[in-house]
Amino acid sequence: DTEVTQTPKHLVMGMTNKKSLKCEQHMGHRAMYWYKQKAKKPPELMFVYSYEKLSINESVPSRFSPECPNSSLLNLHLHALQPEDSALYLCASSPGLPADPQHFGDGTRLSIL
Amino acid sequence: GESVGLHLPTLSVQEGDNSIINCAYSNSASDYFIWYKQESGKGPQFIIDIRSNMDKRQGQRVTVLLNKTVKHLSLQIAATQPGDSAVYFCAENRGDSSYKLIFGSGTRLLVRP
Repeated sequence: DTEVTQTPKHLVMGMTNKKSLKCEQHMGHRAMYWYKQKAKKPPELMFVYSYEKLSINESVPSRFSPECPNSSLLNLHLHALQPEDSALYLCASSPGLPADPQHFGDGTRLSIL
Repeated sequence: GESVGLHLPTLSVQEGDNSIINCAYSNSASDYFIWYKQESGKGPQFIIDIRSNMDKRQGQRVTVLLNKTVKHLSLQIAATQPGDSAVYFCAENRGDSSYKLIFGSGTRLLVRP
C-alpha cells in the first residue's frame, strides 16, 4: 500500500460538473505534486506546492484549480473539463528539497463524458 | 520531446535471468536520477535513486549505474521474477533547484515463466 492516499479511485463526470480530487500524506513531507498521466505515457507535471505555497504551475488550464489546505492535504478542483482531460491523475509528495525522491499515490482515474 | 529517453520500449526476459533497462539523458547539468516501477492500475513506485556524485548504487536485487560521460543511466534487476513485470520509468532532476522531474518514455518489462 502506498503512503500517499488519493480519493476517489475512479470518477466519471460531465463537462458541466464541478468535482474535487483529494490527496493526503502523513509522512511529514513538505512538497506535494499533481501529475496527469495518459495511457502508455509518462506522468506529466501539473502543479507543485512547496511548504504550502504554489511553486510550479506548468501552464495548466484554469479549469484545474489546486489547493493546499495544510502540509498533509492537496486538492485538485475540477470545473468545465473537456473529454481530453480524461486521464489518471497522480499525487506525489517529497520531503521538501527539490532533489528529493517523490512518492506517488495510486491515482484517480478520471473520465469526462 | 523531453531529454530523457529509453533505447527499448519493451524488454522480454526469462524468469531468473538478469534484466537491464537503459535510459539516455541530454542535460549534463542534471544531478539527480530516479527509477520508478509502475504496475497496471497503480501509481509509480520508487525503486532507487542516484546523485551525480556517484557512479553506482545498489539496492535489494537492483543496481543503478550512472555514466556521466555519455549521459547514460541503467537499471539492473538481478534474478528477475514475475512480479517484476511492469513499466519502468527513469526520471531526472535538472539541477536547477526546481522540483520538476523529467520522465523518460518508459520501458515495459515482460518476464517469461
